Amino acid sequence: DIQMTQSPSSLSASVGDRVTITCRASQGIRNDLGWYQQKPGKAPKRLIYAASSLQSGVPSRFSGSGSGTEFTLTISSLQPEDFATYYCLQHNSYPPWTFGQGTKVEIK
Amino acid sequence: QVQLVESGGGVVQPGGSLRLSCAASGFTFSSYGMHWVRQAPGKGLEWVAFIRYDGSNKYYADSVKGRFTISRDNSKNTLYLQMNSLRAEDTAVYYCAKEDFDYWGQGTLVTVSS
Repeated sequence: DIQMTQSPSSLSASVGDRVTITCRASQGIRNDLGWYQQKPGKAPKRLIYAASSLQSGVPSRFSGSGSGTEFTLTISSLQPEDFATYYCLQHNSYPPWTFGQGTKVEIK
Repeated sequence: QVQLVESGGGVVQPGGSLRLSCAASGFTFSSYGMHWVRQAPGKGLEWVAFIRYDGSNKYYADSVKGRFTISRDNSKNTLYLQMNSLRAEDTAVYYCAKEDFDYWGQGTLVTVSS
């Protein structure tokens, strides 16, 4: 099974900050990775697919990069509505499809 | 627009059974595989099961293999998850998701407790 190691598990940031979240795969997964945002009591929402493609309707302050084993989600200027938990998901080698452990972005 | 609506959650005793449903609309359901994903209270996301578009192949997480069964009725645009021999650790919100995890339902809560 492919393990997805996400870091940090939580972070505190201020509105306007640049935020970076990393996911590391236990083996190469090409660019078969998505990033998701989840707010309390809500379903996950896909932000990025194929590691770097922005989902339609998602603000351009979100971006993804990486390939192989190392991936990054960047929020260029954190907005109040971005405080949430973020997950990566690999869909290269399955079953199982595997998620990172999540990164909770909190207000500083 | 794509809509996925789960139902069937509730409180069940350990060892009991429950069947979840996911009603799909806004896309050609019979052309896409479907997933179940769960989230225990305060925890992360865990993939549970997948079924191909025609039901020909099914895959399960080790944690539910032999206890849960995924199925679908393409004539009713509905996905199912039959959950048997439920344990306390199966307590979670269960989401259905379209094949590429691009669309998700709102989730249904399953609580296993005596």
